[in-house]
Amino acid sequence: EIVLTQSPATLSVSPGERATLSCRASQSVGSKLAWFQQKPGQAPRLLISGASTRATGIPARFSGSGSGTEFTLTISSLQSEDFAVYYCQQYNNWPPWTFGQGTKVEIK
Amino acid sequence: EVQLVESGGNLVQPGGSLRLSCAASGFTFSSYEMNWVRQAPGRGLEWVSYISSSVHIIYYADSVKGRFTISRDNAKNSLFLQMNSLRAEDTAIYYCARHNYYEHYFDYWGQGVLVTVSS
Repeated sequence: EIVLTQSPATLSVSPGERATLSCRASQSVGSKLAWFQQKPGQAPRLLISGASTRATGIPARFSGSGSGTEFTLTISSLQSEDFAVYYCQQYNNWPPWTFGQGTKVEIK
Repeated sequence: EVQLVESGGNLVQPGGSLRLSCAASGFTFSSYEMNWVRQAPGRGLEWVSYISSSVHIIYYADSVKGRFTISRDNAKNSLFLQMNSLRAEDTAIYYCARHNYYEHYFDYWGQGVLVTVSS
């Protein structure tokens, strides 16, 4: 089973600033990594697939990078609606499909 | 518009059973692989079960294997999760999630349904 480790657990950022979230895999997943955003009381929403491809309707301020075992989600200029929990998910080796434990982006 | 609507959540005693449903619309349900994913209160996401479009391939997480059964009715655009021998640790919001048609990530999720296992 591939373990995904996200860091930091919590990221405090001021609106308009840049946020950088990390996801590390216990073994290579190639580019088979997705990122999700989850707001309180809501279902997860797909942001990024293939490590760097934005899903339909996702603003350009969200970008993903990386391959193998190291991945990054960058939010270039945080908006109020971006404060949420972000999860990475690997879909290279399955089952099981595995998720990171999440990074909470909070207002500084 | 893709829509996934779960139902069937409830409070159930340990050892009890529950059947969740997920009604799909806005896409050709029979062509897509589907999953159940859960989230315990205040915790992260945990994949629970997968079913192929044709029902021929099914997978379960080790934590539910032998207790949960996934199924689907393509004629009724519906996904199901039969949960038996429920434990307190099964308490969670359960989401149905659609596989992307070309890749194995989850592209659309339902709003979730709460299952509480408690005496």
